[in-house]
Amino acid sequence: DSGVTQTPKHLITATGQRVTLRCSPRSGDLSVYWYQQSLDQGLQFLIQYYNGEERAKGNILERFSAQQFPDLHSELNLSSLELGDSALYFCASSVVAGIGETQYFGPGTRLLVL
Amino acid sequence: AQSVSQHNHHVILSEAASLELGCNYSYGGTVNLFWYVQYPGQHLQLLLKYFSGDPLVKGIKGFEAEFIKSKFSFNLRKPSVQWSDTAEYFCAVIDTDKLIFGTGTRLQVFP
Repeated sequence: DSGVTQTPKHLITATGQRVTLRCSPRSGDLSVYWYQQSLDQGLQFLIQYYNGEERAKGNILERFSAQQFPDLHSELNLSSLELGDSALYFCASSVVAGIGETQYFGPGTRLLVL
Repeated sequence: AQSVSQHNHHVILSEAASLELGCNYSYGGTVNLFWYVQYPGQHLQLLLKYFSGDPLVKGIKGFEAEFIKSKFSFNLRKPSVQWSDTAEYFCAVIDTDKLIFGTGTRLQVFP
């Protein structure tokens, strides 16, 4: 158990819908990262927050957004969902950010868009 | 930007065989390298990491990796695999905070 929690574990929804994925980092970690794992794209970085502020963006679609709250938990919002958004979404956290930091991963949320 | 290559996509071994999984990253300078393992249906777990110092890094469950700067490589090894090592293995490098992952190597170990 890494100490990173994610809810829900599984999510089944329809195209065009909007969902919210939630992540709670390890106690004391300020940095939260979101990754998407799919069969065709592999593991890809989406976005990073550090102490409430967006710090880095990767291959995140405009339909997707995230935020980190004052208690440091983070939410990833996915809207206008398409079949291709079906994937495993992981959250990771680290104490701070950058070189020398280790990211610890949560159990993931498996999203299925029908 | 950094990239990571894992050349072995699928490896099949018998128990007690030795394992070596290849990993190459694209450019030098200061690198932080990681191996993560994903057991079937589970999340990514850290096996080992290299930040600096001794290029031979020991991790959990008997795994080790060697950082060879001149070859841009960070290969994962285990002298004797077990059935329970069946999993997908990902090499990763830090690039400006974010992790860049390789495509993964699926390891199947048969008793």
